[in-house]
Amino acid sequence: GIQVEQSPPDLILQEGANSTLRCNFSDSVNNLQWFHQNPWGQLINLFYIPSGTKQNGRLSATTVATERYSLLYISSSQTTDSGVYFCAVRTSGTYKYIFGTGTRLKVLA
Amino acid sequence: EAGVVQSPRYKIIEKKQPVAFWCNPISGHNTLYWYLQNLGQGPELLIRYENEEAVDDSQLPKDRFSAERLKGVDSTLKIQPAELGDSAVYLCASSLVPPRGTGELFFGEGSRLTVL
Repeated sequence: GIQVEQSPPDLILQEGANSTLRCNFSDSVNNLQWFHQNPWGQLINLFYIPSGTKQNGRLSATTVATERYSLLYISSSQTTDSGVYFCAVRTSGTYKYIFGTGTRLKVLA
Repeated sequence: EAGVVQSPRYKIIEKKQPVAFWCNPISGHNTLYWYLQNLGQGPELLIRYENEEAVDDSQLPKDRFSAERLKGVDSTLKIQPAELGDSAVYLCASSLVPPRGTGELFFGEGSRLTVL
């Protein structure tokens, strides 16, 4: 089956810093989503981005489906950005989503 | 519009006891998912429903786990009997697949199970 790997696994930032999180996948995908899991455990939708670039405030994401990767950019990080970031992919012919290994982010005040 | 609703949020039981989790998906969503998330890991699919039909239950441990989705809306996930290794967060998600939707996943807050 498809493999989804995220990097880095852990990241510590000072408030105000920028960061880039990466999601690599081993096969072609139809859909890709980025989630933020907050300290209470809920998965919050960030982006639905099977291809191209999207921006939402301080966050933006780019998926290059032909090269099998996606990037999540966080600018001017805040302590509330702390948590775990997951990417999830769906391959053709199924509505089953496979999650990556996650990036654990901690933003220090 | 209400999101995916799960209950209970937290459950503590002794091993060998039964437990049940309930999920109400976003109104109109035809696909419902149950995921299991162990500490420090990403969610893993247990079962996926399209309307009332379980179309992917290959990862569901059928000796002790069961699920149902009555009338294609609410769903219940049951464990009987629970084992220590079942301690985890059980996540419910729903989506509206094409042609009526994009298939984007939306999650509930999860049910955290502790088995003593």
